[in-house]
Amino acid sequence: NTVMTQSPTSMFISVGDRVTMNCKASQNVGTNVDWYQQKTGQSPKLLIYGASNRYTGVPDRFTGSGSGTDFTLTISNMQAEDLAVYYCLQYNYNPDTFGAGTKLELK
Amino acid sequence: EVQLQESGPGLVKPSQSLSLTCSVTGYSITSNYWGWIRKFPGNKMEWMGYISYSGSTSYNPSLKSRISITRDTSKNQFFLQLNSVTTEDTATYYCARGEPPQYWGQGVMVTVSS
Repeated sequence: NTVMTQSPTSMFISVGDRVTMNCKASQNVGTNVDWYQQKTGQSPKLLIYGASNRYTGVPDRFTGSGSGTDFTLTISNMQAEDLAVYYCLQYNYNPDTFGAGTKLELK
Repeated sequence: EVQLQESGPGLVKPSQSLSLTCSVTGYSITSNYWGWIRKFPGNKMEWMGYISYSGSTSYNPSLKSRISITRDTSKNQFFLQLNSVTTEDTATYYCARGEPPQYWGQGVMVTVSS
């Protein structure tokens, strides 16, 4: 299976920070990577599809980039409502595989 | 607006079968792809499989011998059956629209325990 290695596992951040998290694929997945946000007690919500496309209604402070094996999700001007666990997912190879998640917590 | 709602037993005994239903409103399951994903305690997520608009299926090879995804188009529902469960199948189970998953239900927690 394609392993998606997410880093860091957790981050302590402040409102207003610029946040960058990464996902590294064990093989070339092109741009077939999505990013999801999961807040406590809620289901995951799609943020970014195709590595860099913002899903409907997602604020423009969320930006996805990357291709091949290295992918990044950036949150500019972090808001308190963005506290969540973020997951990457590759769907280039069967089975789809998720990263282990990056948890954002307040300092 | 599409809505997905999982339902089923919250407790299953080891060696038995886990059966869940995903009820869909606001969108026909004869369009798009409809899948199941689970989240284990500790946050690990696993894609389990999907059923397509035509009824074809695709499963995670790690589950292939135990999993079945079916549907009832007259009720706009699709189903997950996972056989021979163990405690390692304890998880929150989500149904979702799309492949890759685009829109998720709220999830249902299933515990496997005697």
